[in-house]
Amino acid sequence: AQSVTQPDIHITVSEGASLELRCNYSYGATPYLFWYVQSPGQGLQLLLKYFSGDTLVQGIKGFEAEFKRSQSSFNLRKPSVHWSDAAEYFCAVKAAGNKLTFGGGTRVLVKP
Amino acid sequence: GAGVSQSPSNKVTEKGKDVELRCDPISGHTALYWYRQSLGQGLEFLIYFQGNSAPDKSGLPSDRFSAERTGGSVSTLTIQRTQQEDSAVYLCASSITGSRSYNEQFFGPGTRLTVL
Repeated sequence: AQSVTQPDIHITVSEGASLELRCNYSYGATPYLFWYVQSPGQGLQLLLKYFSGDTLVQGIKGFEAEFKRSQSSFNLRKPSVHWSDAAEYFCAVKAAGNKLTFGGGTRVLVKP
Repeated sequence: GAGVSQSPSNKVTEKGKDVELRCDPISGHTALYWYRQSLGQGLEFLIYFQGNSAPDKSGLPSDRFSAERTGGSVSTLTIQRTQQEDSAVYLCASSITGSRSYNEQFFGPGTRLTVL
């Protein structure tokens, strides 16, 4: 069965600093991978997705992620964090029937 | 156009009562999903509807949970004889279809259920 691990429960970063969130997946076939963001009291918003092709994918809000098959990873990055990036971030893999399996999430705190 | 809407936004109930949670998907979306977000279990898939096909109920945690989708649009998730461990945020999502390789799922704001 597929699974997703996000090793970091919390990350604190200073505004303007770079951010990297880790995601490792377990899946038997070529994975469809996603990153979602959840701001307080809000639903999930899709940041970016990977299906195939270029392993570096660009998303909204200045985020990017790199798929590394050899490491079973799909880490999310942003070069310069803004205070509005404080939120919880979820990595997910698509399973059969289009349902998503999510990681446990990483909460990002941004220091001024 | 409007996104996915859910009601109520918050629901407090007593243990043993039944509750109904409603989801209005984006118009024209044929696929609808329910997920549960809880402290102990994270984000879990519950059930998936695709058009007129039989729903995928593989994520429902017990037979106290059921869901229906009327007219291919609005969905209701029902929890009977609620237990404290049912306390969670219940998220609904919809996509244009679920039958192709992937279609983006758009999420609603969720219903926060508290069972006292």
